Amino acid sequence: RKEVEQDPGPFNVPEGATVAFNCTYSNSASQSFFWYRQDCRKEPKLLMSVYSSGNEDGRFTAQLNRASQYISLLIRDSKLSDSATYLCVVNIEGSSYKLIFGSGTRLLVRP
Amino acid sequence: NAGVTQTPKFQVLKTGQSMTLQCAQDMNHNSMYWYRQDPGMGLRLIYYSASEGTTDKGEVPNGYNVSRLNKREFSLRLESAAPSQTSVYFCASSERDRGRRGYTFGSGTRLTVV
Repeated sequence: RKEVEQDPGPFNVPEGATVAFNCTYSNSASQSFFWYRQDCRKEPKLLMSVYSSGNEDGRFTAQLNRASQYISLLIRDSKLSDSATYLCVVNIEGSSYKLIFGSGTRLLVRP
Repeated sequence: NAGVTQTPKFQVLKTGQSMTLQCAQDMNHNSMYWYRQDPGMGLRLIYYSASEGTTDKGEVPNGYNVSRLNKREFSLRLESAAPSQTSVYFCASSERDRGRRGYTFGSGTRLTVV
């Protein structure tokens, strides 16, 4: 079983739609959580950290459910520029600085 | 602009050839990492360096070696390239906070081994 699992998609949504991605992680010792964004043929870039209480950054909302070991990302009012692959990432305490990346969920926003 | 710089951006090797991928960061980060990314798979850690003078194996270290030349530079060497090493390689760096504030990635090296 992969340590971090995501639905690969693609999620194909119209502009203005709300879309949500989920991610599950297998190691209960996971301590830090992130969403990264990766554009085609580019490097991953940090989108936002995920905090236990949930957090919001503009149109993006991230939630963490430790009991069920999943993380979610909600994007409201989707823009064409949101089209990308979204990577779920966890850091496991005691794993010496390593981040574990999911394979990513691809989002396509159409006009 | 501050960041992580990788060279080269593209490379084609013949099976059995060797090469070194270079990575340098100017953010005064302590920790540096090498990942590979293959289609349908997440980034997989090859080697990392928690701080200058230390290196450790990641998930897929076979066929690779690394050198943490100084605080800024972390190189990845393929001694005898194999077609299975065809991939996109990313270097990353982070502060000495166990990655809690995330990583900064370089733009990647696209390597093809024929």
